[in-house]
Amino acid sequence: AQSVTQPDIHITVSEGASLELRCNYSYGATPYLFWYVQSPGQGLQLLLKYFSGDTLVQGIKGFEAEFKRSQSSFNLRKPSVHWSDAAEYFCAVVPDRGSTLGRLYFGRGTQLTVWP
Amino acid sequence: GAGVSQSPRYKVTKRGQDVALRCDPISGHVSLYWYRQALGQGPEFLTYFNYEAQQDKSGLPNDRFSAERPEGSISTLTIQRTEQRDSAMYRCASSLGGQPQHFGDGTRLSIL
Repeated sequence: AQSVTQPDIHITVSEGASLELRCNYSYGATPYLFWYVQSPGQGLQLLLKYFSGDTLVQGIKGFEAEFKRSQSSFNLRKPSVHWSDAAEYFCAVVPDRGSTLGRLYFGRGTQLTVWP
Repeated sequence: GAGVSQSPRYKVTKRGQDVALRCDPISGHVSLYWYRQALGQGPEFLTYFNYEAQQDKSGLPNDRFSAERPEGSISTLTIQRTEQRDSAMYRCASSLGGQPQHFGDGTRLSIL
């Protein structure tokens, strides 16, 4: 079945350490790719998106993600994590670029804990 | 408005009651989406509107769920004869007509 996989349910890092959150998808074509962040009691905030072009995309809050077609991956990275980055992170996909149906397919999320 | 607004933020109701969840999209946004998010899971698509037309309702789990957007702006998601399994966070998103989608804070629905 087609899916979006975030293999890490929970990640813990120390403040100042680097971070990589993994995302793999199983849709055949090159989809639209997104990372969203959900802080407690708040909605989903868009961190960054990939539509086309440069496979390394920059987002807000110092995050970046790299699209690797050969690995069907879109991993999220940050060189130095801040305590305020503690949240749940969701990878999302729109599988069919040609479709007028814009539904997002989400991974199950990765909960990030940051130690002081 | 500045962002997507959902109301109420929290709704607690007894099993068997009907509930209506409201979404006010970002001004000028053509497309509106509803998602449902169970605890520990990512959001799952329910339905989608372009202007007032419901383009896709394939994610609605059964006929107790319905949605409307009569004037192409505010949308209401209605759940009739609620059941405990309907308890979840219900999220609304809007967009200019493509991507990306901008989400509201959600409505936490609890069925007793």
